[in-house]
Amino acid sequence: AQSVTQLDSQVPVFEEAPVELRCNYSSSVSVYLFWYVQYPNQGLQLLLKYLSGSTLVESINGFEAEFNKSQTSFHLRKPSVHISDTAEYFCAVIQSGGSYIPTFGRGTSLIVHP
Amino acid sequence: NAGVTQTPKFQVLKTGQSMTLQCAQDMNHNSMYWYRQDPGMGLRLIYYSASEGTTDKGEVPNGYNVSRLNKREFSLRLESAAPSQTSVYFCASSEERGFEQFFGPGTRLTVL
Repeated sequence: AQSVTQLDSQVPVFEEAPVELRCNYSSSVSVYLFWYVQYPNQGLQLLLKYLSGSTLVESINGFEAEFNKSQTSFHLRKPSVHISDTAEYFCAVIQSGGSYIPTFGRGTSLIVHP
Repeated sequence: NAGVTQTPKFQVLKTGQSMTLQCAQDMNHNSMYWYRQDPGMGLRLIYYSASEGTTDKGEVPNGYNVSRLNKREFSLRLESAAPSQTSVYFCASSEERGFEQFFGPGTRLTVL
């Protein structure tokens, strides 16, 4: 069974600092990769996804993630965070050829301080 | 478009009571899902419906039942609530399995 590991449960940073949220997965076959964001008292919403093609994917609000097949990682980065980026971030993986149901990581709470 | 809607938003039950959580989507999606979210545990899949007329167990199905009423609606029923079912429940839908999921706002359930 595939698993998804988000190594940091909480990441505190100051506003305008860079941030990296880490995600590693275990799978020996092709995967689809997703990052979702959950703002307080809301449901999850898609931030960005990797299905195929370029290994670097970007979101409209400045986040990017890079698929690294050899490292089985899909880390999320932003060069300069804002207070409004404070949220819970979830990495999710779908293994192709299986049930196509995503496995979610346990989440990383990004806390941006002024 | 309302997207994915869930009712109720909050609910308090006593142990042994039953209730049904409702979910509807207006995006003509084929697949629908029920998750529970607990602190430090991330999202755990309870049941899913890959298409109208089908349902399958997820990671934590015990104590729950589901009904895919039609393409739009997917309900989750707790027949005899237990304190361990205190959680936030999210419904989600996707065009097909393997596609990105769209989530509802959640139902916060407390079982006393």
